[in-house]
Amino acid sequence: EPEVTQTPSHQVTQMGQEVILRCVPISNHLYFYWYRQILGQKVEFLVSFYNNEISEKSEIFDDQFSVERPDGSNFTLKIRSTKLEDSAMYFCASSDGRGSNLEQFFGPGTRLTVL
Amino acid sequence: ELKVEQNPLFLSMQEGKNYTIYCNYSTTSDRLYWYRQDPGKSLESLFVLLSNGAVKQEGRLMASLDTKARLSTLHITAAVHDLSATYFCAVGAAGTYKYIFGTGTRLKVLA
Repeated sequence: EPEVTQTPSHQVTQMGQEVILRCVPISNHLYFYWYRQILGQKVEFLVSFYNNEISEKSEIFDDQFSVERPDGSNFTLKIRSTKLEDSAMYFCASSDGRGSNLEQFFGPGTRLTVL
Repeated sequence: ELKVEQNPLFLSMQEGKNYTIYCNYSTTSDRLYWYRQDPGKSLESLFVLLSNGAVKQEGRLMASLDTKARLSTLHITAAVHDLSATYFCAVGAAGTYKYIFGTGTRLKVLA
């Protein structure tokens, strides 16, 4: 069964450093998403991506963040100059998007720890 | 702006008992999803509810959607320890593809 994969599973970085989180969405899906979950809290939407551009972003997704689909399979989230409060679990998701099928499928997550 | 609330936030229950988790949302939507999350793990899809009056059941869990009341319920029948987890509802925001998640309900089933 196709699934969303994410690497690395855990990333530790120093405050101020740049990190890139990687995702491989399900191959025939058209819409891609990033969400984050601060420990013990709810899951929050960051950004959605379609047709090689951002389709929607939340207030959290400021200039510190960027997304890219560098090739036909990967979808990345870059966080520039990380802050302590960026420590969270980051989930990638993808959806088919055709017709009424909007169900999102989530990856296993990347736990980001900023020291 | 779409807001999604769940209650209760915490639920401790005895094995064999029944209980219901509620998910209320503030604006129109006809897409609602339930997920289970074990500690440190990803989101496991439980139910997809896409129309008013939709009811789905899997094992000891049953979910329903009332779009007019903007309410979904997740009913647990004869709880067992293995159901201990955090349960999230997520609402598909109208006119967009994003999900807005509820606050989560941390369920602990005591043997």
